Amino acid sequence: EDKVVQSPLSLVVHEGDTVTLNCSYEVTNFRSLLWYKQEKKAPTFLFMLTSSGIEKKSGRLSSILDKKELFSILNITATQTGDSAIYLCAVDVGGTSYGKLTFGQGTILTVHP
Amino acid sequence: DGGITQSPKYLFRKEGQNVTLSCEQNLNHDAMYWYRQDPGQGLRLIYYSQIVNDFQKGDIAEGYSVSREKKESFPLTVTSAQKNPTAFYLCASRDTPNQPQHFGDGTRLSIL
Repeated sequence: EDKVVQSPLSLVVHEGDTVTLNCSYEVTNFRSLLWYKQEKKAPTFLFMLTSSGIEKKSGRLSSILDKKELFSILNITATQTGDSAIYLCAVDVGGTSYGKLTFGQGTILTVHP
Repeated sequence: DGGITQSPKYLFRKEGQNVTLSCEQNLNHDAMYWYRQDPGQGLRLIYYSQIVNDFQKGDIAEGYSVSREKKESFPLTVTSAQKNPTAFYLCASRDTPNQPQHFGDGTRLSIL
């Protein structure tokens, strides 16, 4: 059975702090790992990672994948209150078809002013 | 504007009633997905479809049904056999197997 585990499940920080969110996985037929941010409604796409050791960056957010140890981290530097959200990690188990995503439980991040 | 539209935003179901959630996309995507989100449990896959007139069960398909008669539409019916339907339902689509899934704004279903 495919499994994705995120930690911590919740995190409370103050503005300006740096946070690291973790995602480990055990799946068959790995194609990619994705990070999403969910505020009130639709999850919005952050990163897609397919290769080990290559960091992806977008502003204050960055992410990296380790396919040997089967995990990924999402870093957020200089956090702001607008970063408060649920951060979802998902693994695409695809093969040759469109495939499907297996999600972790999510990490609830709260940033206080 | 291109996107995924889910309706209604809120829905209430009575005991023994079937209800249908709508998902429409104008992105010309082949693949569409339905997920259920409960507090503290992330998203779980209900059904998905890779092409018109074809769909596959996900991890929690019992008590749900779908159809895919048109490329742009993938409605989900929550049947009376689903004993715990209260949840947030999200529809997604993707363009190609190497692109990320994109989500609609969701439908929140509650029991009356």
